[in-house]
Amino acid sequence: GQNIDQPTEMTATEGAIVQINCTYQTSGFNGLFWYQQHAGEAPTFLSYNVLDGLEEKGRFSSFLSRSKGYSYLLLKELQMKDSASYLCAVRGNTDKLIFGTGTRLQVFP
Amino acid sequence: GAVVSQHPSRVICKSGTSVKIECRSLDFQATTMFWYRQFPKKSLMLMATSNEGSKATYEQGVEKDKFLINHASLTLSTLTVTSAHPEDSSFYICSATRDAMNTEAFFGQGTRLTVV
Repeated sequence: GQNIDQPTEMTATEGAIVQINCTYQTSGFNGLFWYQQHAGEAPTFLSYNVLDGLEEKGRFSSFLSRSKGYSYLLLKELQMKDSASYLCAVRGNTDKLIFGTGTRLQVFP
Repeated sequence: GAVVSQHPSRVICKSGTSVKIECRSLDFQATTMFWYRQFPKKSLMLMATSNEGSKATYEQGVEKDKFLINHASLTLSTLTVTSAHPEDSSFYICSATRDAMNTEAFFGQGTRLTVV
């Protein structure tokens, strides 16, 4: 079967760094995506990893280890507006995305 | 970036009626579109894959006769919730990819369906 796991909730302080982990077991692998979703809104694309290593984009970075079935999203210099759900999604053998459970991040002042 | 438009953003309907949700790719042709359902504070659950010119592929447990999907053109897919019941109330989101090699799925704005 296919399984994508993330922590359900996380909290952090404004200005800090937070790492959101994602582990996956899927039929095939053709890329891992991270999305941000604010309540009541559609997800917005953050990052894409298909090869092992770190992809950096501004305050956000994403890491992938295919051999371990593991990824993380790193958020630096946290801002209040970063309070949202963060969704890990994997593209398997087909072009459909399978989403993880999502991590609700709450940033406190 | 590419834009996917979903309409309506909110709809309230009576039990027993049907509701149609449209998903349009505005600046690219989408061979494949996906329909998701999301319950409050939960992640996205894939309902079906919509392929232009052919029947949709439904995920296990999704009733194809209840959730009718039509992908009549390369820019439009529709989801019709038939004989809606209160338990169908949810957030429905569509997404589209340009092609199978695209690295990003573009999402519509979502539709909040409330069945009363």
